[in-house]
Amino acid sequence: DAGITQSPRHKVTETGTPVTLRCHQTENHRYMYWYRQDPGHGLRLIHYSYGVKDTDKGEVSDGYSVSRSKTEDFLLTLESATSSQTSVYFCAISEPESISTYSSYEQYFGPGTRLTVT
Amino acid sequence: GDSVTQMEGPVTLSEEAFLTINCTYTATGYPSLFWYVQYPGEGLQLLLKATKADDKGSNKGFEATYRKETTSFHLEKGSVQVSDSAVYFCALSPSANQAGTALIFGKGTTLSVSS
Repeated sequence: DAGITQSPRHKVTETGTPVTLRCHQTENHRYMYWYRQDPGHGLRLIHYSYGVKDTDKGEVSDGYSVSRSKTEDFLLTLESATSSQTSVYFCAISEPESISTYSSYEQYFGPGTRLTVT
Repeated sequence: GDSVTQMEGPVTLSEEAFLTINCTYTATGYPSLFWYVQYPGEGLQLLLKATKADDKGSNKGFEATYRKETTSFHLEKGSVQVSDSAVYFCALSPSANQAGTALIFGKGTTLSVSS
C-alpha cells in the first residue's frame, strides 16, 4: 500500500469554525489531491498540487484553501466551516510513469477523514 | 466534457455468481481507465487499469477490457465471494498530456454478495 496517512480520521466541528485536514505521504510523489465524497456524487476534486507551493483549483473549491510547503504534506483548510461541507475527505497522490501517449496516471488514496459540521 | 457513467446499484448476488458492472465513458484523446474498490470505512484501492484500446486489466479474478469502439470498460468476475462486497468505482484519467489532472469518477456501484 502507498504510504498515505490522513489526520484526523474523524472530526466534529461547529459551523463557522476553521478546520484543517492534513495529508502526509512517504512516497515522494509530485502530485497530491483533495477530494470529497458525498452520496450520489461520487468523488469530486477540491484542489490539487503539482509541486511544493504549486496548487490549483478543482471542481468544488469554493470555501476551501490548500497549502503545500513540503513535498510530503498537503493541507486542506476550511476557513469557516458550513454544514454543506459535512463529507468524507480523501487525499490522493500520483506520479506519472513517463510522459508519453499511454502513460498511466493512477492515483493512490488515503484512508479518508470523516468531517461533520454541526 | 469528459464523463463516466456506471450502472446504478445496488447489485445483489449469491456467492459464486457471475458479476458484470457496466461502465461507459466520454472522453477525447487517449484516456486511461481504472476500476477502484472501496470497502466499508476505507479509502479507495486501485483494482485494475488499462491505458490504451484493447488492453485488458486484471487483478484478484476481476477483469475489464478497454473498448474504444463502444467507449466501455465493463468490470467482470466469474465467481464472486462474500469478501467482494464493496463499492466499485469506474474512473478515467482524461489525457496522457494532462498530468496531474483529477480522475473523473462514476458515482459508484454497491455490490452485496450473500453466502
